[in-house]
Amino acid sequence: GAVVSQHPSRVICKSGTSVKIECRSLDFQATTMFWYRQFPKQSLMLMATSNEGSKATYEQGVEKDKFLINHASLTLSTLTVTSAHPEDSSFYICSARDPSSGYNEQFFGPGTRLTVL
Amino acid sequence: GQNIDQPTEMTATEGAIVQINCTYQTSGFNGLFWYQQHAGEAPTFLSYNVLDGLEEKGRFSSFLSRSKGYSYLLLKELQMKDSASYLCAVMDSNYQLIWGAGTKLIIKP
Repeated sequence: GAVVSQHPSRVICKSGTSVKIECRSLDFQATTMFWYRQFPKQSLMLMATSNEGSKATYEQGVEKDKFLINHASLTLSTLTVTSAHPEDSSFYICSARDPSSGYNEQFFGPGTRLTVL
Repeated sequence: GQNIDQPTEMTATEGAIVQINCTYQTSGFNGLFWYQQHAGEAPTFLSYNVLDGLEEKGRFSSFLSRSKGYSYLLLKELQMKDSASYLCAVMDSNYQLIWGAGTKLIIKP
């Protein structure tokens, strides 16, 4: 099946610094990738939809200048949390849609646990 | 608005059967997904229904009724490792996934 990797799996940073998270589709080309955030005991919250070669589409309430998304190739999307604050501490998960999948299902990366001190 | 409802938490006994319900109201419908998520991990795909009826896959089955906006996930012969959150998600007319809040399933010996 399709595999999505995410790096790093865990990061701790100081308040005010920026953190970059990478999401890669390993065995398929993903024209569309999704970035989610999940707070403890809550469901996934879609932050943005990333399309290769174009600007990401952000969900209402998500600051595009704070959460920079770049989808430069068909296998890589990055999320940069700029000037991170403790309230940005969360579990960030990316997913990618495999166009060859008959289900249009999304394959998820393993997630990145961000802790901002 | 779009809405997915599922119970917050359920408890069942090892070896038993449990049914997790999901009701939805979305703008368009392009299929319903069930995902399993263990604590601290990303979701993993369990099933997909786009037509009415029951889809069986080993110990897990998923049912869909589009006219009722209703689905359930049936887990048989429960094992301790089935303790997890189960997420119901509907793909709307824009092929966007709308997620339920998840049902935390607790399995007791």
